[in-house]
Amino acid sequence: EVQLVESGGGLVKPGGSLRLSCAASGFTFNNAWMTWVRQAPGKGLEWVGRIKSKIDGGTSDYAAPVKGRFTISRDDSKNTLYLQMNSLKTEDTAVYYCTTTIMVQGVKGYWGQGTLVTVSS
Amino acid sequence: QAVVTQEPSLTVSPGGTVTLTCGSSTGAVTSDHYPYWFQQKPGQAPRTLIFDSTNKHSWTPARFSGSLLGGKAALTLSGAQPEDEADYYCLLSYSDARVFGGGTKVTVL
Repeated sequence: EVQLVESGGGLVKPGGSLRLSCAASGFTFNNAWMTWVRQAPGKGLEWVGRIKSKIDGGTSDYAAPVKGRFTISRDDSKNTLYLQMNSLKTEDTAVYYCTTTIMVQGVKGYWGQGTLVTVSS
Repeated sequence: QAVVTQEPSLTVSPGGTVTLTCGSSTGAVTSDHYPYWFQQKPGQAPRTLIFDSTNKHSWTPARFSGSLLGGKAALTLSGAQPEDEADYYCLLSYSDARVFGGGTKVTVL
């Protein structure tokens, strides 16, 4: 069974930093492209960024609002995805979801339950 | 960055059929955009209904189907049930990013 479990959310002041983690199981993590998606309160889904598998280059792409402030990384030895968030703004307040599109038993598209990040003074 | 458009809201009668669409500001949506459709109910995480235009997830009810229609991605719900009332989002893939549509709120009434 595919499981994605996010952690690390909480309350942080504007300008602060936070690191989110996503523990993955049930699939071959090192082969997976991993993605972070966020959802501000009462708003729609927003793609934050993704990291390719190392075999595909291991590079990351980011949405414009977070580029230069957020960094996605992975530790394949721990089956864990990370999102380092720096210079946080109030508009970064959202539930952050970890997702993957790796094919498992013939289907794609798995989500975690999310972790809430609140940026407020 | 591309803009992905969806109907803000749609209403369907119980047992009825409704089609949601997903368009791209860059032109026609094709299979190369690998369209995804997600369902989200209040207080829950999104879950994948359709991937790569037409493929269903293991939990996707048979009444949902995905297609490419008139230059857009489409999600058709045939035989709507009260439990289908939810927000639906599409996601399109571009060269270096993915972009969500703004979502469609489907009411079963």
